[in-house]
Amino acid sequence: EVQLVQSGAEVKKPGESLKVSCKGSGFSFNSFTSSWIGWVRQMPGKGLEWVGIIYPGDSDTRYNPSFQGQVTISADKSITTAYLQWGSLKASDTAMYYCATTRLAAASRAYGMDVWGQGTTVTVSS
Amino acid sequence: DIQMTQSPSSVSASVGDRVTITCRASHGISSWLVWYQQKPGKAPKRLIYAASSLQSGVPSRFSGSGSGTDFTLTISSLQPEDFATYYCQQANSFPYTFGQGTKLEIK
Repeated sequence: EVQLVQSGAEVKKPGESLKVSCKGSGFSFNSFTSSWIGWVRQMPGKGLEWVGIIYPGDSDTRYNPSFQGQVTISADKSITTAYLQWGSLKASDTAMYYCATTRLAAASRAYGMDVWGQGTTVTVSS
Repeated sequence: DIQMTQSPSSVSASVGDRVTITCRASHGISSWLVWYQQKPGKAPKRLIYAASSLQSGVPSRFSGSGSGTDFTLTISSLQPEDFATYYCQQANSFPYTFGQGTKLEIK
C-alpha cells in the first residue's frame, strides 16, 4: 500500500528551527522520484492553504508566494522523504501540516493531491 | 494568484437530501479543479479531480461538473458519513489555491 508517513508532533519556542519529514512507503524508487510532493497548512479551526511542492527527482520546487522565504521544501530521494523546514519559527506557524502526492498532467496542471500523510502538528509557543 | 470562492460557507441538510456546493475561480482554469472532503481530525480526501472525474472508491452519489470559472459538487442523496467540510482547489497554475471550505452539517 502506498502511503506517506509524517514525523510526529512538535512543540517549539519562537525563534527555534524545525524540519518535519514526510516519508513515502510502498513506493518504488522511480514512482517516488516521479511524483510531486506538496505541503498544505491548516491553522487551528481554519481552511487549507497550499504551501508549495517539490519534485524529488530533480528537487524542482515551487512555492506559494505567501510562504516564500518563510519555509524551505526539500527532498532526499535516496530515502523517499520530503521535508518542510523553518529557520526561525513564529507563533503564527502553529498549525497542522500535511504532505501529499500530486500528479502533474502537463506544465503546472495537476490532478490534485491524492495520497496524504497523516499530518504533523506544529505548536509554537513561548 | 487565482482566487477560489466557495458557496455556501455552510449548509444544513438531512440524510437523503440532494446538496450542491459551488466554487468560482477568479480566472479561467479550464477543468483543472479538484474537490476534497475533510472530516474532523483527519487529512483531506480527494473526491473529484479534473472537475468531473470520480476518485476510485468514492461513491457514485458524488459528482462534479463545470469548466472555466464555475464548478459544482453535487451529492445526490446525503448519507450520514457525508457530513464533513468540502474544499475545492484549482490545479491549473501555481500556486494551487483552495476555496475557503463548505461545512455540511446535519439538520
